Amino acid sequence: ETGVTQSPTHLIKTRGQQVTLRCSSQSGHNTVSWYQQALGQGPQFIFQYYREEENGRGNFPPRFSGLQFPNYSSELNVNALELDDSALYLCASSPGQGRVGANVLTFGAGSRLTVL
Amino acid sequence: GQNIDQPTEMTATEGAIVQINCTYQTSGFNGLFWYQQHAGEAPTFLSYNVLDGLEEKGRFSSFLSRSKGYSYLLLKELQMKDSASYLCAVRESYNTDKLIFGTGTRLQVFP
Repeated sequence: ETGVTQSPTHLIKTRGQQVTLRCSSQSGHNTVSWYQQALGQGPQFIFQYYREEENGRGNFPPRFSGLQFPNYSSELNVNALELDDSALYLCASSPGQGRVGANVLTFGAGSRLTVL
Repeated sequence: GQNIDQPTEMTATEGAIVQINCTYQTSGFNGLFWYQQHAGEAPTFLSYNVLDGLEEKGRFSSFLSRSKGYSYLLLKELQMKDSASYLCAVRESYNTDKLIFGTGTRLQVFP
């Protein structure tokens, strides 16, 4: 089975620009969540998508938005980029509640965003 | 509030045993996870505890005490490839994939 794949792996943007990051969930997984990991820190929950709807959100401003598609893949969009948005953005998928292994998140390798 | 504490760095020798501690204060509790993360790579799942006690999986064991808000990850027969960051995370609610992570413990294994 394929794991979670993310693209792009690295990108550089300037302050004020917009960015879209993409994620393909693991086969059989229908729930996707996004995390932001600053250097030397643990991942912080941004939001979760289930059945194409946002189903939980962390302490991030509205300029962080997302989508989930019918094939369970997902996008993270960040508008009006700020310097502090520089981080590793991790996507994670799970089988969803009520299914075998629902408790375990499978993470992708991340997209490293640098904002100049 | 939410707070998860773990040591920032630890060092150990190949073949030795190391214990990484994690204490947590969260508004809810529905399980504690340990993930391993090598530099530049995805976090990978190591263990999950939801009831008190010890879970053993090969060279790795994890312990939970819910009354003390405490967990540890025990790594035996350390190998060089175990050099990585170890992330402790708590799920507060059963109906979400939101995990609250600590800052991670960077473990360096020396020959």
